[in-house]
Amino acid sequence: AQTVTQSQPEMSVQEAETVTLSCTYDTSESDYYLFWYKQPPSRQMILVIRQEAYKQQNATENRFSVNFQKAAKSFSLKISDSQLGDAAMYFCAYRSAGIADKLIFGTGTRLQVFP
Amino acid sequence: DGGITQSPKYLFRKEGQNVTLSCEQNLNHDAMYWYRQDPGQGLRLIYYSQIVNDFQKGDIAEGYSVSREKKESFPLTVTSAQKNPTAFYLCASSPYSGRTTYNEQFFGPGTRLTVL
Repeated sequence: AQTVTQSQPEMSVQEAETVTLSCTYDTSESDYYLFWYKQPPSRQMILVIRQEAYKQQNATENRFSVNFQKAAKSFSLKISDSQLGDAAMYFCAYRSAGIADKLIFGTGTRLQVFP
Repeated sequence: DGGITQSPKYLFRKEGQNVTLSCEQNLNHDAMYWYRQDPGQGLRLIYYSQIVNDFQKGDIAEGYSVSREKKESFPLTVTSAQKNPTAFYLCASSPYSGRTTYNEQFFGPGTRLTVL
């Protein structure tokens, strides 16, 4: 069975600085997808960024980028130029490329942004 | 506006009672999902449905039941057999189209269930 681990329950960053959130996963599959979701205080889950395992190039979405290390089974999220609105819970998630679109989530990292 | 609606936002239940959480989507998505969120545990899959009149158990289906009679609707019933039902419940949907295609899951705003 696949597992996702986020070892940082809480992180903090100064506004305009850069922060990296860690995620590791365990799987025996070679084809899968990885995601970072943001959950602000409203508790609405928002997709931040995704990565296909077959792509070597790291995904980037504006100020958000990932460092995908397939051999190490690591998938970290870097937030550049942090903004107060980035404060939220961040969840790393795994999805097999199989038929069922099930998402397996990590336990989350709470990010605080200080002005 | 297209989206996913969940009702009610807050729900209170007495022990021993069944309660049904509503999830409706007008995105024309084939697949729908129910997740449970507890503090410090992330989201865990309860049930999912890829087509109408069909659904599968997720990782924590015991004490829950679902139906999928319409494409737009995927209600979740929390039965009295669920020993610890107090949690935040999230519904999601995606335009499922098969094995090799990625389909983003869109989430509803959630329902907070509290057992009194």
